[in-house]
Amino acid sequence: ETGVTQTPRHLVMGMTNKKSLKCEQHLGHNAMYWYKQSAKKPLELMFVYSLEERVENNSVPSRFSPECPNSSHLFLHLHTLQPEDSALYLCASSQEFGREQFFGPGTRLTVL
Amino acid sequence: RKEVEQDPGPFNVPEGATVAFNCTYSNSASQSFFWYRQDCRKEPKLLMSVYSSGNEDGRFTAQLNRASQYISLLIRDSKLSDSATYLCVVIHGRRALTFGSGTRLQVQP
Repeated sequence: ETGVTQTPRHLVMGMTNKKSLKCEQHLGHNAMYWYKQSAKKPLELMFVYSLEERVENNSVPSRFSPECPNSSHLFLHLHTLQPEDSALYLCASSQEFGREQFFGPGTRLTVL
Repeated sequence: RKEVEQDPGPFNVPEGATVAFNCTYSNSASQSFFWYRQDCRKEPKLLMSVYSSGNEDGRFTAQLNRASQYISLLIRDSKLSDSATYLCVVIHGRRALTFGSGTRLQVQP
């Protein structure tokens, strides 16, 4: 399936690096999401973009910075991450907020 | 009380069995509900939406009980391929949603 793609699929970075995760959806959806999934924890919603409005989870540290240049593309900019940020980062899209979501394959991030 | 709660399991059932999972939610104003399945080290995939009147898709039946604030997923005639983690998600605000932590199902031959 190529509805929602994410790159890179795997990323190893040091705590001083800056990197970006990319997500692209080919479904014509108007809402896009970033989630964090850590081992043995539920999916944690980090950010939502819907019709150019951004909603963020207040518990997400400022070292994570989203960008949504248009309705098809979503980025997550990473800087000065911590080892506890190591997790699977999932992107999803839906027709509008609250509708069925379709997920990308995720980026498995390791912070050394 | 957590916003969304699921029994983590695992539920170990033999092939052909019927198994049911519940997902409870705390916000009575919650609007929409969904079930997803997630295979090990893969992304969640939509299984079905949950409608107020209940809905069925083949061997899967989803129901909503607003009075008791839970949704359920029933799987009939379990297959080995049904082994996965089942996640519920609750939409409970204009821009608020919460995933449950998931219930693990293991179907055994």
